Amino acid sequence: AQSVTQPDIHITVSEGASLELRCNYSYGATPYLFWYVQSPGQGLQLLLKYFSGDTLVQGIKGFEAEFKRSQSSFNLRKPSVHWSDAAEYFCAVGLFSGGYNKLIFGAGTRLAVHP
Amino acid sequence: DSGVTQTPKHLITATGQRVTLRCSPRSGDLSVYWYQQSLDQGLQFLIHYYNGEERAKGNILERFSAQQFPDLHSELNLSSLELGDSALYFCASSVQPNQPQHFGDGTRLSIL
Repeated sequence: AQSVTQPDIHITVSEGASLELRCNYSYGATPYLFWYVQSPGQGLQLLLKYFSGDTLVQGIKGFEAEFKRSQSSFNLRKPSVHWSDAAEYFCAVGLFSGGYNKLIFGAGTRLAVHP
Repeated sequence: DSGVTQTPKHLITATGQRVTLRCSPRSGDLSVYWYQQSLDQGLQFLIHYYNGEERAKGNILERFSAQQFPDLHSELNLSSLELGDSALYFCASSVQPNQPQHFGDGTRLSIL
């Protein structure tokens, strides 16, 4: 069965430090992969997506992610974290089949940023 | 602002009641999706509609139903509510099923 694992429930970093959030997926075919961010009281905002092609994808707010098929991973990175990046981050795999589409989400990683 | 509008933002009701959550997709989007976010289950896919037609069902209870209207807005109906139905319900939309989904801000449902 398809699944997404985010091993880190909580991560705390200092402002200005680099960030890497881990995501591993289980899916038989080539996956469509996404990272979303959810700020308190807000909906989910799409940070970036991977469908095919270049395995390093750039997103909004200075985020990037790298697809590694051999490791079944799609880790999210940012070179320098800002206090406004404190939020919950969700990795998801998209299942497109027969004209339908659904996202399978990981449990999320809550990011805290220290000044 | 994703362009997806959900109403109401908050809903408080009692067990056994019925509620309707409404979603207006982004302009031009034909697909609408519903998700439930709870502390114990996380984000769970409920149902997908495309241009008025149901395309896929996920972990949606029989007490729950949805539809997409000709103007493309969608409603999620929850009946015989139980305490465990308390959650944040998200609607998302996309232009086509194989395109990224954009989420609304959700409706927080509290069952007392």
